[in-house]
Amino acid sequence: EPEVTQTPSHQVTQMGQEVILRCVPISNHLYFYWYRQILGQKVEFLVSFYNNEISEKSEIFDDQFSVERPDGSNFTLKIRSTKLEDSAMYFCASSALFRTDTQYFGPGTRLTVL
Amino acid sequence: KNEVEQSPQNLTAQEGEFITINCSYSVGISALHWLQQHPGGGIVSLFMLSSGKKKHGRLIATINIQEKHSSLHITASHPRDSAVYICAGGGGTSGSRLTFGEGTQLTVNP
Repeated sequence: EPEVTQTPSHQVTQMGQEVILRCVPISNHLYFYWYRQILGQKVEFLVSFYNNEISEKSEIFDDQFSVERPDGSNFTLKIRSTKLEDSAMYFCASSALFRTDTQYFGPGTRLTVL
Repeated sequence: KNEVEQSPQNLTAQEGEFITINCSYSVGISALHWLQQHPGGGIVSLFMLSSGKKKHGRLIATINIQEKHSSLHITASHPRDSAVYICAGGGGTSGSRLTFGEGTQLTVNP
């Protein structure tokens, strides 16, 4: 069964460093998403992406964040200058067609900012 | 701002019991997702529904659009059902974003 994959599974970085989290969505899916979950808190929406541009973004997704689909398979989330409060689990998801279609989640990348 | 509220926060059951988890959502949400999060953190989509009822194995999800309420039922619960169950709302004025509930920690004892 097709699945969303994410790399790395765990990333440790120093405050102020740039990180890139990578995702490979399911191949025929058209909508892509990033979510984050701070330890002990609920999952929060960051951004959705469709047709090579941001479809929606939350208040969390400020100028420190960017997303890109550099080729036909990868979908990346870049955090330019990490802060301690960026430490969280980051989930990528994809859906086939409609905005309200089932979203398939990757296993997550645990980001630890020291 | 769209809101999703779940109850209960924690639920402990004995193997074989029938389990219900409830979710209320605000105006502006047109599709309700039920998700399962395992102890390792991975999230699995169980159902997406905008009307009626869906069933998959021992899991049943219902939605009442007028009351803006959805329920997830687990029949004949088993210890392997132990996980966090999350409802999330999307569509409508939410667009493509999902608004998540706090989750319900379910523990099923043998």
